[in-house]
Amino acid sequence: GAVVSQHPSWVICKSGTSVKIECRSLDFQATTMFWYRQFPKQSLMLMATSNEGSKATYEQGVEKDKFLINHASLTLSTLTVTSAHPEDSSFYICSARAPSAGTQYFGPGTRLTVL
Amino acid sequence: GNSVTQMEGPVTLSEEAFLTINCTYTATGYPSLFWYVQYPGEGLQLLLKATKADDKGSNKGFEATYRKETTSFHLEKGSVQVSDSAVYFCALGASSGSARQLTFGSGTQLTVLP
Repeated sequence: GAVVSQHPSWVICKSGTSVKIECRSLDFQATTMFWYRQFPKQSLMLMATSNEGSKATYEQGVEKDKFLINHASLTLSTLTVTSAHPEDSSFYICSARAPSAGTQYFGPGTRLTVL
Repeated sequence: GNSVTQMEGPVTLSEEAFLTINCTYTATGYPSLFWYVQYPGEGLQLLLKATKADDKGSNKGFEATYRKETTSFHLEKGSVQVSDSAVYFCALGASSGSARQLTFGSGTQLTVLP
């Protein structure tokens, strides 16, 4: 099946710094990518939907100035956590959807720990 | 809004046991229903889906039937294997603009012992 990668798989950073997470669709072009956040033993919560070449649509309660999303090409979307704080520590997961398919293909996730 | 309630885990079974993981949902309109599986260290993979009432999704011996009257989509397998050990997520898909957004349950950890 389709492959979606994320980089890095885990990152530890100091409070106040910014962290960029990449999501790539390796063998298909994704017009739409989704970013999720998952707390331990909880659901995946949709943060934002990103369409190539346009601004991301954020879910209610998600700060767009804190979680910057860029979907500059059909195979790459990035999530930048700006001025990270310990409460931003979480597991961030992306997914990608090909134009002709309704199925979302998920990346393996990125574990962010903010000290 | 849409929501998915999933049976809490962890669930531990012996090989060849029968598996049921309960999932119920709340939604407006006519959503599609999915089961995803996440093996250790990997991304979520679509296991099966159903797009309308009374549809049965099946894959790898797993089955789930879309029951609109009980708003349920329970996952079943008649005989589990050690290789089925993973986290299982029930999800609901509803169209939103140009994208089909997913709402997930909390996930159920399944461990199958030899």
